[in-house]
Amino acid sequence: DAKTTQPTSMDCAEGRAANLPCNHSTISGNEYVYWYRQIHSQGPQYIIHGLKNNETNEMASLIITEDRKSSTLILPHATLRDTAVYYCIVRVSNTGNQFYFGTGTSLTVIP
Amino acid sequence: NAGVMQNPRHLVRRRGQEARLRCSPMKGHSHVYWYRQLPEEGLKFMVYLQKENIIDESGMPKERFSAEFPKEGPSILRIQQVVRGDSAAYFCASSSGTSGSGHNEQFFGPGTRLTVL
Repeated sequence: DAKTTQPTSMDCAEGRAANLPCNHSTISGNEYVYWYRQIHSQGPQYIIHGLKNNETNEMASLIITEDRKSSTLILPHATLRDTAVYYCIVRVSNTGNQFYFGTGTSLTVIP
Repeated sequence: NAGVMQNPRHLVRRRGQEARLRCSPMKGHSHVYWYRQLPEEGLKFMVYLQKENIIDESGMPKERFSAEFPKEGPSILRIQQVVRGDSAAYFCASSSGTSGSGHNEQFFGPGTRLTVL
């Protein structure tokens, strides 16, 4: 599975959009981009995933560049409860393989 | 529909004792994964199991650690003769393992925090 690079930490004002970048320049054609978050030592929570098209759900939007070498997770209106570590993971989707978690981005939402 | 259940949530053991961590996957899920998270680090994969089979144990330490997922009952992660370095949060995840929809996300439990004195 391809490796990802994320900033170590970010701040975001409450109510504003939080844009979390991720680089995955070695991604393969059959690898999906997944985002999970971990709120203060709880179990990781699935957020969203995508292959090449932009995706949106009730939690977030995922923007994937045309060359698929990077992506951005967007939380449209960040709240204090969105403070967490966000992990960007790329892997082949339709297998039972494990997820490789890096160190993620620690997002702090500021009142 | 209950999520992934793990127990105990906290476990304290003295060096040399055994630790048994249990994981009940979500209803309908037959794939279980165990991860370990050391303080201030990301999760590290340990083992992937399906019912009665170990599929991938490439992340498991070679000694003292074992895992099983019997036909009936929860998955068990067993650590024999624990040492202080085993202190960590251990997370279990489950998935349905189906690929028809093209994705296979894992749902995580709340974790078991093991402290070795």
